[in-house]
Amino acid sequence: GDSVTQMEGPVTLSEEAFLTINCTYTATGYPSLFWYVQYPGEGLQLLLKATKADDKGSNKGFEATYRKETTSFHLEKGSVQVSDSAVYFCALSDENSNYQLIWGAGTKLIIKP
Amino acid sequence: DTGVSQNPRHKITKRGQNVTFRCDPISEHNRLYWYRQTLGQGPEFLTYFQNEAQLEKSRLLSDRFSAERPKGSFSTLEIQRTEQGDSAMYLCASSYLSRADTQYFGPGTRLTVL
Repeated sequence: GDSVTQMEGPVTLSEEAFLTINCTYTATGYPSLFWYVQYPGEGLQLLLKATKADDKGSNKGFEATYRKETTSFHLEKGSVQVSDSAVYFCALSDENSNYQLIWGAGTKLIIKP
Repeated sequence: DTGVSQNPRHKITKRGQNVTFRCDPISEHNRLYWYRQTLGQGPEFLTYFQNEAQLEKSRLLSDRFSAERPKGSFSTLEIQRTEQGDSAMYLCASSYLSRADTQYFGPGTRLTVL
């Protein structure tokens, strides 16, 4: 079945550093890909999404490009802030599975001032 | 648009007791999903509704779990005879049928079974 694998955390960076969180997927169909963020004590928020190959999703300075050839959807940000500290989840959904979200395990990001 | 709401936010219960959680989706969202998230893991799908019809349940979902969505509005998730392994965050999400790939999540209900 479909699955998502993302890099293990925690990832610890200094403020203004460049961020990459890797995410790869396996899917039988043509899934949509997502990054969700979960701040401490809060619910899951959709950060960005991409629905087809070569699409780039972006929001709040974060970007991710849907790479079909490498089955990847890596999350990047050029200059992180302390307020970006959270858990980031990569996920996919597919029409064949009624759009239920399939999730990675999450990557905890810690930004130090 | 007030977002997805869930009640209660926290529930502590003793093993063997029944618990019920409520989810109020974004109004006019046709689809409603329930997920469960344990510590350090991504959420896992439990079940989903399209309007009032429950269309799919995860094979992981025990017979002790039941969900309803009367009149296609709010939904309830009941767990009977709770076990310690049921301790988790229970998440609700909703979406439009026409944009089913984009789900909006509530804050979750954290269940602790003693």
